[in-house]
Formats: sequence, structure tokens, C-alpha cells
Amino acid sequence: QVQLQESGPGLVKPSETLSLTCTVSGDSISSGGYFWSWIRQHPGKGLEWIGNIFYSGSTYYNPSLRSLVIISIDTSKNQFSLKLSSVTAADTAVYYCARSKVGRWFDPWGQGTLVTVSS
Amino acid sequence: SYVLTQPPSVSVAPGQTARITCGGNNIGTKSVHWYQQKAGQVPVLVVYDDTDRPSGIPERFSGSNSGNTATLTISRVEAGDEADYYCQVWDSSGDHPYVFGTGTKVTVL
Repeated sequence: QVQLQESGPGLVKPSETLSLTCTVSGDSISSGGYFWSWIRQHPGKGLEWIGNIFYSGSTYYNPSLRSLVIISIDTSKNQFSLKLSSVTAADTAVYYCARSKVGRWFDPWGQGTLVTVSS
Repeated sequence: SYVLTQPPSVSVAPGQTARITCGGNNIGTKSVHWYQQKAGQVPVLVVYDDTDRPSGIPERFSGSNSGNTATLTISRVEAGDEADYYCQVWDSSGDHPYVFGTGTKVTVL
């Protein structure tokens, strides 16, 4: 059974870079066929897809965040990561990592991690 | 980018049927997936590809999709079904391919 777990700082200062890692267990991240995504949810709000990465390193980003986001993958550690630069209070959210196939649904999801942007 | 519109809230009595709509331009031509998110918990897939259920999801959850509206139907609603529900599609024509609906809060009276 595939499981995903987010990790990273829960507090980030404004203008700094938010960095999170998702560790995948139960399957190889490079087994192919899957995209590895980051999704966020602002407090009390809906779900927003941030972007994803294929095991080959190909990335796809939400156009509204593209200039600020970098998603990378480390197949040797079975991990993929999110970097969101120049954060503001508006980036305070629960950040989830999730797996999908192209054009398909997200399953499973990580437990989510709350990141607060505050000085 | 593609927009999915859901009613903010739906209220239903226990044992009755809840219907949650997801509106989008020609959504009937896309595959729609539905997630349940209980308070403080992770979204859980309850219906995929319009009508299919993952293993472990009760038959009370069903989906349909036609024209400009997809619908998630919860039959014989239980107190434990109280949650937020989100629809999701993949819009291959846009540069924002993974789109979520606005979400619907289902309240069990």
C-alpha cells in the first residue's frame, strides 16, 4: 500500500522560501506511470493544485504559481519536493502531496502539513 | 481556465438522499472524480471516472455525469457522511489541467 508523508518547517517568514518534502513508501517513485503532485488548501477554503512531476523530471505547474514554484524529484530517496519562493501570508495553507496518473484522480494523499507564513 | 461550480451547502436528513452537483462547460465530455473531506481530515476519493467507487467506499455513494452537470448522490445518508465534497476534472485543453470544484458542505440534520 502506497503511503505519502509530507515534512518540512511549519513556520516560514514572509519573503522567504517554503520548502517541503514528500516521502513515498510502499512503491518506487520511479516505477513509472504516475505523477506526483502538490496540492494546498487555504484555511477554510477549497483545494488548489500547485503542480506535479513525473519520475523523469518533467514538471507541470499551476499558471498562477508557475513563476514561484519549483518541484523536484529524488528517486534515490523516493522523495519529491516543493519550493515556493517569496511567500506571503496568503501562502498560509495545508500542503498535501498526492499521486495521480495523467488525467486521473489523486490517490493516495499525504496527511498534509500546515505551513504558516508569519514573521 | 476551466471552472467547476458547486453549491456551497446541502442539508439532508438522515436516511434521505443528498445530491451534490458540479457544473462545468460540457463536463459530460470529461471524467469527474469526487472527494470527501471530513473536518480536519485528508480528502478521500469516493467516486472516480464519473461512476466508479474505490474499494471500501459504500454503494450508497454513486455518481453521474451528463451535459453541463455531474452529480454525486449519497443515498440513505448517515451522520458520518457530514463532510465537504469536491469534484475534480482534468482539463487537457488548458494549461491548468487539474481543476477542483468549489466544494460543497453536506450537513446532516
